[in-house]
Amino acid sequence: DGGITQSPKYLFRKEGQNVTLSCEQNLNHDAMYWYRQDPGQGLRLIYYSQIVNDFQKGDIAEGYSVSREKKESFPLTVTSAQKNPTAFYLCASSLVGAYSYNEQFFGPGTRLTVL
Amino acid sequence: GQQVMQIPQYQHVQEGEDFTTYCNSSTTLSNIQWYKQRPGGHPVFLIQLVKSGEVKKQKRLTFQFGEAKKNSSLHITATQTTDVGTYFCAGSGTYKYIFGTGTRLKVLA
Repeated sequence: DGGITQSPKYLFRKEGQNVTLSCEQNLNHDAMYWYRQDPGQGLRLIYYSQIVNDFQKGDIAEGYSVSREKKESFPLTVTSAQKNPTAFYLCASSLVGAYSYNEQFFGPGTRLTVL
Repeated sequence: GQQVMQIPQYQHVQEGEDFTTYCNSSTTLSNIQWYKQRPGGHPVFLIQLVKSGEVKKQKRLTFQFGEAKKNSSLHITATQTTDVGTYFCAGSGTYKYIFGTGTRLKVLA
């Protein structure tokens, strides 16, 4: 059963704590992405990675960090430096082909609430 | 930086009415994608447009890419309750996508 998994679905943390969101894919995709979605708003890109051991900042990278040690995994750490971390976090992946633009497959998301 | 705007932000229609959402980019796009996100769900890919002036249809959905490749539209004919959700366009940047703000569609039975 191929796809993208994110865990956990709901996550609660105290203010000031770092938290890591998991994202795993078995689609053999090279590219992976992290987005943040706030209520009633669009998707904003946090980080993306085109290949293992390489990643780039998106539009709102401050207060976040990522790693890409394996092709299948792209965990996102929300650090205490992120001023307003409560949001819905979506991970996505896509093939990197000749034109570099392919459909993105999204995971089910993690809803993070910081108390 | 590159921006992608969508209008309207919200749309309520009676079941059976038509619906259109418009997407406008501040820069020329290589291609554009459309996604649908059901309430409480995650975005699901609908279609990709690549050529200037391209029109594609999926049953009751019609997608257009502008001649200048800076705008796009999604039109739904005779909406159904299953069409409820938020529709996003995503314009291609350099190795990344810029998502539009989304149009939230509600269909009243």
